[in-house]
Amino acid sequence: NAGVMQNPRHLVRRRGQEARLRCSPMKGHSHVYWYRQLPEEGLKFMVYLQKENIIDESGMPKERFSAEFPKEGPSILRIQQVVRGDSAAYFCASSGQGLNEQFFGPGTRLTVL
Amino acid sequence: GESVGLHLPTLSVQEGDNSIINCAYSNSASDYFIWYKQESGKGPQFIIDIRSNMDKRQGQRVTVLLNKTVKHLSLQIAATQPGDSAVYFCAEAGGSQGNLIFGKGTKLSVKP
Repeated sequence: NAGVMQNPRHLVRRRGQEARLRCSPMKGHSHVYWYRQLPEEGLKFMVYLQKENIIDESGMPKERFSAEFPKEGPSILRIQQVVRGDSAAYFCASSGQGLNEQFFGPGTRLTVL
Repeated sequence: GESVGLHLPTLSVQEGDNSIINCAYSNSASDYFIWYKQESGKGPQFIIDIRSNMDKRQGQRVTVLLNKTVKHLSLQIAATQPGDSAVYFCAEAGGSQGNLIFGKGTKLSVKP
C-alpha cells in the first residue's frame, strides 16, 4: 500500500548546480502536483501534470524550473542553476481524478549552499 | 488577491480537551475544502474534506464545519491527544484544474 514516494528526501546543491527531484504517485493515480513550502509557511502550488502533459504551470517560475511526467517513470521537477532562494521543501501530491483529494509525499528538502 | 488564511497561528490545549482550529477563505467560488495535518519533517496528511453543498462533516474524532455566509471553515478535534500536535492547514480548491490554495497553518500543541 505504497503512498506517494519522493526522492531524494534531502538534497544539497551549490549555487549554479542543477537539482532533480523525483516523485512517484500512488498506484492508480495519474495526476501529479508539485508544491513548494518555505519554513513556517503554507504550501504554494507550482505545477500540475498528467501523463506526458502539463495541465497548469501557473505557479512555476518562468526561468530555471521545469517539470515533466513521462509515460513511464516518475515525475521530475528540475531546477537549473540553483540559487539560495530555491532552498525549500518541495512536495509532490497525486490524485486519481485530477481534482480535489490529493495525497502528499514526504517531500524533498533542498538546501542550496 | 484571494487567499486562504487562518485566524490563529498557535493553539495550546490540554490533553483530553477539544480543539477548534479556524480558517477564513476569501474566494466565494471555491467549492471544496480540505484540512491537512503536517508533523515536523513530514508531508501534509489528509484529515477530512468538505464540499460547498454541505455545512458539516464528521470523521473519527474530527468534525469540519463550513459557513459559506461568512466564508469560514473550522476543524474540531475531540479529546485531543499528544499525537495530534502538529501544524494544521486548511486548503481550498481554487484556480483552475484542481490546484490547492493553502493557508499559513496553525500550530497545535497538546499539553499532557
